[in-house]
Amino acid sequence: QQPVQSPQAVILREGEDAVINCSSSKALYSVHWYRQKHGEAPVFLMILLKGGEQKGHEKISASFNEKKQQSSLYLTASQLSYSGTYFCGTEKGGSYIPTFGRGTSLIVHP
Amino acid sequence: KAGVTQTPRYLIKTRGQQVTLSCSPISGHRSVSWYQQTPGQGLQFLFEYFSETQRNKGNFPGRFSGRQFSNSRSEMNVSTLELGDSALYLCASSLGQGDGEQFFGPGTRLTVL
Repeated sequence: QQPVQSPQAVILREGEDAVINCSSSKALYSVHWYRQKHGEAPVFLMILLKGGEQKGHEKISASFNEKKQQSSLYLTASQLSYSGTYFCGTEKGGSYIPTFGRGTSLIVHP
Repeated sequence: KAGVTQTPRYLIKTRGQQVTLSCSPISGHRSVSWYQQTPGQGLQFLFEYFSETQRNKGNFPGRFSGRQFSNSRSEMNVSTLELGDSALYLCASSLGQGDGEQFFGPGTRLTVL
């Protein structure tokens, strides 16, 4: 079953923050986050494993709440380069068979 | 280090035909995963190969198949093409487990007429 991402779209100005959520109705083993720019391939951002720590680099970080079966991606002080569609991919564990959300479109204006 | 390459980049076929897509992973990467991306269904996992063995498979009909060679290069085959198979087909490679950091290729845009 496909995870649900919210919001579907976000429009920001440079320097503003955003949070993108990814929720599943089933228990999760891991959550992956990707960013895809128009006409380009997805770029892996990070993976969060059950029982693992919150991850992040520079101004993009993510958390994984196992009890709520939800992950959140935090983008702070957004830059123009952050524009794109963000996908979460979830796995139930046992084997690598990911299911992806429909994506969140993020637009950062100057 | 060269990235993941996919050939061809664009392909036009007619219903009923078959097609083979190729993916060359990053040197040293042993896992190759294939995905289908469409506006209607989004990104969907097809299968993953590791050391020439299909390790995991998504929910696609048997018309979709693949293989991996000893040099980790992978091919994906779709037989008896349907209009709904029109999509961007992406492959991604990773060092070992398919659930690690993945590097995507540019994709093959398949159009079925």
